Amino acid sequence: DAGVTQSPTHLIKTRGQQVTLRCSPKSGHDTVSWYQQALGQGPQFIFQYYEEEERQRGNFPDRFSGHQFPNYSSELNVNALLLGDSALYLCASSLVRGHTQYFGPGTRLTVL
Amino acid sequence: GQQVMQIPQYQHVQEGEDFTTYCNSSTTLSNIQWYKQRPGGHPVFLIQLVKSGEVKKQKRLTFQFGEAKKNSSLHTAATQTTDVGTYFCAGHNDYKLSFGAGTTVTVRA
Repeated sequence: DAGVTQSPTHLIKTRGQQVTLRCSPKSGHDTVSWYQQALGQGPQFIFQYYEEEERQRGNFPDRFSGHQFPNYSSELNVNALLLGDSALYLCASSLVRGHTQYFGPGTRLTVL
Repeated sequence: GQQVMQIPQYQHVQEGEDFTTYCNSSTTLSNIQWYKQRPGGHPVFLIQLVKSGEVKKQKRLTFQFGEAKKNSSLHTAATQTTDVGTYFCAGHNDYKLSFGAGTTVTVRA
C-alpha cells in the first residue's frame, strides 16, 4: 500500500514563473491538505481539499491555488513566484476531514 | 487566528536523561497532534490527544493534554540517539492543523 506520494522531489524556478506540484494521497484517503515549510519552521497550512473543493484556507495569497481530482489526487499551483516562496511543500492526506494526517516526502522548491 | 507556541526551540540532551517540550495554543483545541520530523525528512504522526487532561504513553514518550485543552506536553524518558529530530505539536480546530515551530532535539552520547 503506497503512502502519500509527491512530485517532483526538487524544483528550481526563477522569480515570476509559475509552478505546479502534485500529490497522490494514501490509498483510501479522500482529503488532501497542503503545507509550506520554510527552513527551521513548522509547516504552515495553505489549504485543504475535500470532495474536489477547497474547504479551508490559511493565510496565503491568491497566487496559491489548487485543485483536487475525482481520484482524490491534488495539485498546488503557485503563480508569480517570489524568492520567499522557496520552501518545502508538503502534502498530507487523511481519511476524513479532521483525522490524522499522513505526510508525503515533500517537494523542495527553490526560487532564484 | 489560532497560534501555537512551542518551547524550548532547541533541546540538547545527554543520552539517558529526560526532557520535556511544551506546547501552548491561543485558543481551545478540539484535539492536539504530535509529529516527529527527522533531519531531511517529513513530519511523521506520533499521537493524537482529544480529551481534556488526557495522558498517553508510547514506550519512553508521555504525552499530556491540558485540562483547558489549550496546552500539551511531551516528556521523553531515558533519551536515546534515535530520539534526534524536531518534534512538532499541531493544534486542530475547524479542520485545520496549526503547527508550532517545533523543538529540535540533539543528543550527546
